[in-house]
Amino acid sequence: NAGVTQTPKFQVLKTGQSMTLQCAQDMNHNSMYWYRQDPGMGLRLIYYSASEGTTDKGEVPNGYNVSRLNKREFSLRLESAAPSQTSVYFCASSEVPRKNEQFFGPGTRLTVL
Amino acid sequence: QQPVQSPQAVILREGEDAVINCSSSKALYSVHWYRQKHGEAPIFLMILLKGGEQKGHDKISASFNEKKQQSSLYLTASQLSYSGTYFCGTETGNLIFGKGTKLSVKP
Repeated sequence: NAGVTQTPKFQVLKTGQSMTLQCAQDMNHNSMYWYRQDPGMGLRLIYYSASEGTTDKGEVPNGYNVSRLNKREFSLRLESAAPSQTSVYFCASSEVPRKNEQFFGPGTRLTVL
Repeated sequence: QQPVQSPQAVILREGEDAVINCSSSKALYSVHWYRQKHGEAPIFLMILLKGGEQKGHDKISASFNEKKQQSSLYLTASQLSYSGTYFCGTETGNLIFGKGTKLSVKP
């Protein structure tokens, strides 16, 4: 099992460009999450999907959109990238939304110039 | 509300013990602990689901004081492999992570 996979691993964008970060899990988990990690800030939740067909905002949703394509896949879209979105993005999944271990993907390092 | 972790950083010699604390201003459903090595993804260590619960594996254990809205992670007889940043995550709804505690174990 690959666990949680993310593409791409690295990306450089110019201000105003758009892109989609892809995430997939093969553990048949119901819940999926997108976090961003900035130095000294810990992991902050952007959006999550408690189950297929649902998505909800987390702590820092502004400037992002998500799509839960199916049970396996959860994508994060930046419509108009800004330098403040330079960060490492982690996707995670868990069997159920609460009181459950989260499994993290390897991360995408995004730089916006 | 982001939980507060202390200390922010700690340096140990191999074999020494450490305690990392995590406190919240809100009532907690559960507390998670994760470790992240530089350039890697966070890895789950353990979850505590109810007040008074204590868990551990190998020489890493944790406790959860529900009334005080606190959890502590105990690392005993530290090994070089324990180096990394430790995050607590508290559930009051969604999982909210603290800013992390950087642990460095020296030979």
